[in-house]
Amino acid sequence: KAGVTQTPRYLIKTRGQQVTLSCSPISGHRSVSWYQQTPGQGLQFLFEYFSETQRNKGNFPGRFSGRQFSNSRSEMNVSTLELGDSALYLCASRYEWDEQYFGPGTRLTVT
Amino acid sequence: DQQVKQNSPSLSVQEGRISILNCDYTNSMFDYFLWYKKYPAEGPTFLISISSIKDKNEDGRFTVFLNKSAKHLSLHIVPSQPGDSAVYFCAASARGQGGSEKLVFGKGMKLTVNP
Repeated sequence: KAGVTQTPRYLIKTRGQQVTLSCSPISGHRSVSWYQQTPGQGLQFLFEYFSETQRNKGNFPGRFSGRQFSNSRSEMNVSTLELGDSALYLCASRYEWDEQYFGPGTRLTVT
Repeated sequence: DQQVKQNSPSLSVQEGRISILNCDYTNSMFDYFLWYKKYPAEGPTFLISISSIKDKNEDGRFTVFLNKSAKHLSLHIVPSQPGDSAVYFCAASARGQGGSEKLVFGKGMKLTVNP
């Protein structure tokens, strides 16, 4: 079974732009969560989607948003990028009460 | 407010010996705990988990111990192998209503296993 895939793997944007990251979960997994990893704050939860509905959200500003499609694929969007948004963005999928399985991440650099 | 703490940033052990990785938490609502391993340029890989109704869980060379009264868990790797060298993250969750799960991670600990 294929793992969680994330595209693109690397991205460079400038301040003020917006970015969309994509995540395809493991087949059959309906829950998709997003995390941000930075050297200072570590791994932090952004939000979780299940059946196209956001059912949990972390402490991030409204510039961070996401959505999930009927095939469980998910996207996250960051608008008005700031230098501090430079991070590794990780997507994880889960089948019911199983553990979360992570993708390789998207490395976003904001200049 | 760091709810999950891994107080040692690094650990170095000899191949074949035991590696003990520690983790402390402060939130009494946490009822599920996990360990992940992470290599550079890859996402975290799930290793082992434990529910708060248990105090020990084993999977091959990996054993996780949970001490709820001390709000402490540890991961034992026996015997340690050079391929175990990676950053290890402790994570916790309070599995909420409706099946939602928000993982709270520690800052990670770099394990180096020397041949």
